Order: sequence, then structure tokens, then C-alpha cells
Amino acid sequence: GDSVTQMEGPVTLSEEAFLTINCTYTATGYPSLFWYVQYPGEGLQLLLKATKADDKGSNKGFEATYRKETTSFHLEKGSVQVSDSAVYFCALSDHTGNQFYFGTGTSLTVIP
Amino acid sequence: DAGVTQSPTHLIKTRGQQVTLRCSPKSGHDTVSWYQQALGQGPQFIFQYYEEEERQRGNFPDRFSGHQFPNYSSELNVNALLLGDSALYLCASRRRGSSYEQYFGPGTRLTVT
Repeated sequence: GDSVTQMEGPVTLSEEAFLTINCTYTATGYPSLFWYVQYPGEGLQLLLKATKADDKGSNKGFEATYRKETTSFHLEKGSVQVSDSAVYFCALSDHTGNQFYFGTGTSLTVIP
Repeated sequence: DAGVTQSPTHLIKTRGQQVTLRCSPKSGHDTVSWYQQALGQGPQFIFQYYEEEERQRGNFPDRFSGHQFPNYSSELNVNALLLGDSALYLCASRRRGSSYEQYFGPGTRLTVT
């Protein structure tokens, strides 16, 4: 069945460091891929998405490219800020768009 | 424009009891999904409602049931609560036919003792 595997955390970075969080997926058909962010005590917020191969999603300085050949959707940011501290979830939706599969989440802490 | 709202925020129940959680979707959205997020884990899909019917279901027992009302709001019911049902329950809504983008509510934290 469909599934998502993402890099385990926690990840601790200094402010302005480069961030990569790895995500790979297994899916039948042509899934859409997403990164969600969860701040403490809050629900999930959509960070970015890509709906087909080679699409690049971007938002707030974060980027991820849908790589069909490597079944990956790695999240990157060139210079993290303290306010980026949160848990990041990689997810895919099946071909119907009815069901989402989430990774286990990666906790990021950015220190000044 | 209000986003997805859920009630209550927190809930404490005893093993064996029943619980009902509520969700109001974002304005303009007609499809509601429910997820269970155990501590330190990603959300797990429970089921999805559209046009007042359950359209798709994840790997959850029949103790988990739901309902969608004509105004698109939804309820999640869990019977015969187990300690393992303790989790954050998230509701997500979207407009059918949109680009699969879901909006999540803040969740209901259920603790079963």
C-alpha cells in the first residue's frame, strides 16, 4: 500500500543554517505530495505541495521537488530561523485524493 | 473567514465509555476527513465523509463511526474506549474537486484513563 518514510529527528540547527529533511514514498499511480508543519499545540498547516513529477513546491523559503525517479520529496531551506522550530510532516494523497498518508514527522529546533 | 473548528479542545474519558467529537469545516468546503494522531506519530486516516456518507475508510475498527450533517459539519464517535484511543483527533476539510489540498483544525486531545 501507499506509504511515506521520512527522516527521523529530532534535528537541531543554528539560525541561518541549511535545512534538509528527507522524505521518500511508495505509491501506486500518481500521488500528490505535501509538506505540512505543526507548531506546538496546533493543528497541521500546509507548507507546500507538488501534484506531478518534477514540480517544485515552495513557500516561506522552503522548497521541495517531486522526484519520480527516486520517489522522493525532500524539504529544503537555505537559512532557517528560530520561528521555523516545529514538527514537519511529509504526506501523499492517493490517486483519488480521498486518503492522505503521513510520515512520522521530524522535529526541528532552531537555536539562536 | 473561519477555518476548520473542532470541539471540545480537550476531553478526558474512562475506559469503556463513549465519546463524540465535533468538526465544522472551512467555509465553502464539503468534504470532511478525520485522523488520529498518537503522540510522536503522524496522523492516521480514519475516514472521510462527503454528501453525508462515509466514502472511504482507513484501518480502524467499527468502534469508530461518524456522521456528516447537511451543513457539512461532522461528528466522530468512538465506542468502548480503550487506553490506546488516547490521541489527538484531527479534522480536515476540503472542497471536492479541488487540488486535494486539505485544511486541518487544531484537534481534540482525548485522554482515556
